[in-house]
Amino acid sequence: NAGVTQTPKFRVLKTGQSMTLLCAQDMNHEYMYWYRQDPGMGLRLIHYSVGEGTTAKGEVPDGYNVSRLKKQNFLLGLESAAPSQTSVYFCASSYPSGRAATGELFFGEGSRLTVL
Amino acid sequence: RKEVEQDPGPFNVPEGATVAFNCTYSNSASQSFFWYRQDCRKEPKLLMSVYSSGNEDGRFTAQLNRASQYISLLIRDSKLSDSATYLCVVNMAGSARQLTFGSGTQLTVLP
Repeated sequence: NAGVTQTPKFRVLKTGQSMTLLCAQDMNHEYMYWYRQDPGMGLRLIHYSVGEGTTAKGEVPDGYNVSRLKKQNFLLGLESAAPSQTSVYFCASSYPSGRAATGELFFGEGSRLTVL
Repeated sequence: RKEVEQDPGPFNVPEGATVAFNCTYSNSASQSFFWYRQDCRKEPKLLMSVYSSGNEDGRFTAQLNRASQYISLLIRDSKLSDSATYLCVVNMAGSARQLTFGSGTQLTVLP
């Protein structure tokens, strides 16, 4: 059972470089999310998607773009990386619900990004 | 004020001890509440949901106090394997598809 898979797991960038993080899930989930986790800050939502072809901004979207061209994939892009984007990035997916998120997010193992 | 606040700890307790964590939330219209567990350098995983009537899962008990806007997690007979960071998670009203995470409470169970 692969679940949620993130690639790459580690990356070091120089300021101004671009990169894309890939998230793939094999659970047929409708909802997918990108979070970043920083010490003392908890997980903060960057962008999310409620279905193929849709995306929406979360709490901290600036400096990031996303795409959900296929249901199973959710891409997070950094067009011009900055040191402030050094963080651990988690992708997650969940089942849809008629009224509210069920609360169970399935997370990938995380991607550690360092921007020098 | 943060939307979801937790005491960061660390809580260092001996094996077999009982330990409790609290979490407060700011939006009185919040609808759903959860505890997640995150091991060091790993991804968070759902520990348990928190229901209005309180709920128990083995050694773990979760309580919700809507009047005071806090959630608690009680761990009885602590095991070394309980060492982790515990994240309080709240589904904020009007954000049906988004969850807000607290910054976590770190627990270390000592032999």
